[in-house]
Amino acid sequence: SQQGEEDPQALSIQEGENATMNCSYKTSINNLQWYRQNSGRGLVHLILIRSNEREKHSGRLRVTLDTSKKSSSLLITASRAADTASYFCATDAGSGGGADGLTFGKGTHLIIQP
Amino acid sequence: DAGVTQSPTHLIKTRGQHVTLRCSPISGHKSVSWYQQVLGQGPQFIFQYYEKEERGRGNFPDRFSARQFPNYSSELNVNALLLGDSALYLCASSLDDRVKLFFGSGTQLSVL
Repeated sequence: SQQGEEDPQALSIQEGENATMNCSYKTSINNLQWYRQNSGRGLVHLILIRSNEREKHSGRLRVTLDTSKKSSSLLITASRAADTASYFCATDAGSGGGADGLTFGKGTHLIIQP
Repeated sequence: DAGVTQSPTHLIKTRGQHVTLRCSPISGHKSVSWYQQVLGQGPQFIFQYYEKEERGRGNFPDRFSARQFPNYSSELNVNALLLGDSALYLCASSLDDRVKLFFGSGTQLSVL
C-alpha cells in the first residue's frame, strides 16, 4: 500500500521558476527521503531528512518536514529542463529490522518548459 | 565504480510461466532490496536481503521469492505469472538498511 501521497500529481512550470511539491504520510517515521525518476527507469536518491530535523538543503533542493502534520515539501529552485522527471517521497517507518522497506508515494510528475 | 546492474532489461512471458530476475549491487553494499512499480504508481516493497538473510518482506504472495548469494548479488523469482505481475521490477542496494538506496534501471516484465 502507498503510505505517502504527493501533491500535485503533475506540475508544469517555466525554466528558471521554482517548483514545490508536497508529500503527506500516515504513520510515524524514522526518516523521509526524496527520489527522482526519469522516463520510468531507475530512481535516484536526492535528499534524506530525519524525523528530528525540520529543514535540509542540498544545492538547489530544500526539504522541510513537519512531523506534527505528517507532511514534507520539496522545493527545487531555479528549475532547469533537466529537472523534468517524476519525484517520489519515501518514508522509512521501520524499527531497524527492514521489515517494511521504504514506502513510496505515487509521485509528482514535473515538466519544465523551456 | 559500476552502479547497480539488473538483467534482463526487458522480458515477455505468458501467464503461468516462471521468471527469474537478477541484480548485482554496488561493490561493498551488503543490502539488496526489490521493488515492484506498476505504471503510474510508486515502487512497492517486495523483499530486502542483508548479508544473505531475508530482512523484510512486503505484502506479496508466496509466488514471489528471492535469495542473496555470497557475492551479495540477488535473484527475484516469480512463479505462476499473472497478468497483474506486469510491471517494472527495481533492485536497489545500500550500505545501511533503508537509508539512501541506489537503484538499478529495472527489468520491465510484460505478462501476456
